Amino acid sequence: AQSVTQLDSHVSVSEGTPVLLRCNYSSSYSPSLFWYVQHPNKGLQLLLKYTSAATLVKGINGFEAEFKKSETSFHLTKPSAHMSDAAEYFCVVSDQNQGGKLIFGQGTELSVKP
Amino acid sequence: NAGVTQTPKFQVLKTGQSMTLQCAQDMNHEYMSWYRQDPGMGLRLIHYSVGAGITDQGEVPNGYNVSRSTTEDFPLRLLSAAPSQTSVYFCASIKNNWGVGYTFGSGTRLTVV
Repeated sequence: AQSVTQLDSHVSVSEGTPVLLRCNYSSSYSPSLFWYVQHPNKGLQLLLKYTSAATLVKGINGFEAEFKKSETSFHLTKPSAHMSDAAEYFCVVSDQNQGGKLIFGQGTELSVKP
Repeated sequence: NAGVTQTPKFQVLKTGQSMTLQCAQDMNHEYMSWYRQDPGMGLRLIHYSVGAGITDQGEVPNGYNVSRSTTEDFPLRLLSAAPSQTSVYFCASIKNNWGVGYTFGSGTRLTVV
């Protein structure tokens, strides 16, 4: 069975400093992996996706993630945090053998201090 | 506007009442699903559908029913609401290409008292 573990429930950074949100996955075959962002009282927005092409994936708003099969990781990074990045972030794996249903991590809340 | 539309946005129910959460998409997506979001638990799959007339259970299906009579609509029914069903509900859809990413509705915040 596939699963996703987000290693930090809360991350706090200062504006202008790098962001690292960690995600490990478990999958018996090549997964499709995603990062979604949810701003307070809003729906979910796709940040980026990995689908077995390039291992370094660039997304919106300056975010990127690197797929490392040997480490079963898909960490999300951004070189310089902005106040508007404060939100909850979800690492997600797609189960292609079961109608493409999504399996979510528990979420990481990112706080950005001025 | 193309996308996933959920109604209502907010709802308060009394224990034992029934209601239907509506979800509609106009992107001709085959796959649709319902998730519930609870603090510290991410989103959990309730039911999903791979096409009109086909539905299946997800991780937390108890207390919920679904049907898919058309490609566009995927309503979620609560037959007898319980306080444990207080949550935020999201509907999502995707075409048959998993790599594109799901489109999510804006959510329905349900409180059962």
